[in-house]
Amino acid sequence: GENVEQHPSTLSVQEGDSAVIKCTYSDSASNYFPWYKQELGKRPQLIIDIRSNVGEKKDQRIAVTLNKTAKHFSLHITETQPEDSAVYFCAADLITDTGRRALTFGSGTRLQVQP
Amino acid sequence: DTAVSQTPKYLVTQMGNDKSIKCEQNLGHDTMYWYKQDSKKFLKIMFSYNNKELIINETVPNRFSPKSPDKAHLNLHINSLELGDSAVYFCASSQGGLAGQETQYFGPGTRLLVL
Repeated sequence: GENVEQHPSTLSVQEGDSAVIKCTYSDSASNYFPWYKQELGKRPQLIIDIRSNVGEKKDQRIAVTLNKTAKHFSLHITETQPEDSAVYFCAADLITDTGRRALTFGSGTRLQVQP
Repeated sequence: DTAVSQTPKYLVTQMGNDKSIKCEQNLGHDTMYWYKQDSKKFLKIMFSYNNKELIINETVPNRFSPKSPDKAHLNLHINSLELGDSAVYFCASSQGGLAGQETQYFGPGTRLLVL
């Protein structure tokens, strides 16, 4: 099946700095690109998503950009705070090993915000 | 008021045993999923049901058998547990039938440890 590549695997920033996480995908027919935040021992929770007919979406300190031609999308967090520390997952709707379209997750980025 | 709930939260069992995990959602969603998150935090879809019908069945050993008695419930039964089954299993749900192209809401996870 197709996959989603996510970089970096770990990211450490100082409080107040910006953080950027990047993902690439392989299926040009993909249409839906969510980002999930998972705190230690907790469930993944949606923080923002974008669809293929939009190039950028913003929600307060969080923004996502999508480049369909290059097949990559990015998460931008500005003015980071210690509570932003978590693992972030990108995802895209891709064709799986069994030929079905399903949400496929990247391998995660562990973000550490240093106070 | 929990949207997606799972039981049990923790499951410690011996190799070779059979165990079940239950999931319920009160969001009125039509589609439910099972994901496996391994020790490296990689999140991978296993199954998906839409209105009690199996629509995604990824490359998962036959020892795993999902069952959906109604669209609000999705259970996972695992036979002959193996060490490699140790992981966190997440249930999720989404509103319509476009699996992979809609917001998914995750349950709290079931931490399975096979000894």
